[in-house]
Amino acid sequence: GAVVSQHPSWVICKSGTSVKIECRSLDFQATTMFWYRQFPKQSLMLMATSNEGSKATYEQGVEKDKFLINHASLTLSTLTVTSAHPEDSSFYICSARDTAEVISRTDTQYFGPGTRLTVL
Amino acid sequence: GQQVMQIPQYQHVQEGEDFTTYCNSSTTLSNIQWYKQRPGGHPVFLIQLVKSGEVKKQKRLTFQFGEAKKNSSLHITATQTTDVGTYFCAGPASGTYKYIFGTGTRLKVLA
Repeated sequence: GAVVSQHPSWVICKSGTSVKIECRSLDFQATTMFWYRQFPKQSLMLMATSNEGSKATYEQGVEKDKFLINHASLTLSTLTVTSAHPEDSSFYICSARDTAEVISRTDTQYFGPGTRLTVL
Repeated sequence: GQQVMQIPQYQHVQEGEDFTTYCNSSTTLSNIQWYKQRPGGHPVFLIQLVKSGEVKKQKRLTFQFGEAKKNSSLHITATQTTDVGTYFCAGPASGTYKYIFGTGTRLKVLA
């Protein structure tokens, strides 16, 4: 159980285009999902917290107009990188908190497999 | 802001040798989590420690949470090539459920 999927697993796009990445919790409901970015050989940096039915909250330094997040259902959050540039090339990873576990005060994040974005 | 540092940054060991990574937070943590990320993969949850001084074992892995709840360690006994990867600790940002990841320790095991 507790599987999170991401789609696509990798994407190559031209500079100036937009890319949408989907994060789905397959066998549990996730009121809260997180989006991270990881550059090569670096740690995971939290970009934003995605909350079902409300606006996402962004970490300091992350442009909300560039990284659009939509969490329209309890199992799906999307991250859209708008007007992508080569410096946006990175590994984007989502994670989800199981709503049932939150209620029981267990605090595990389940990570998706990640999406590798390359902007030419 | 809150920082979570890990040492060492890299570690190369001979297969069969022990390995330890240390995690230090600038603030007191309500809990600490450990993750393993294989090369090219995504982080996989290993364990969560909650209590001051807590020690948990998973086969060859021993996790410890410091008495002051600001540091933690992961010790691997008799490393195997399957232990290769980057080990991250993560702690919640003060008063939130958002986790701050440590800088990571990359482990290479030489056969």
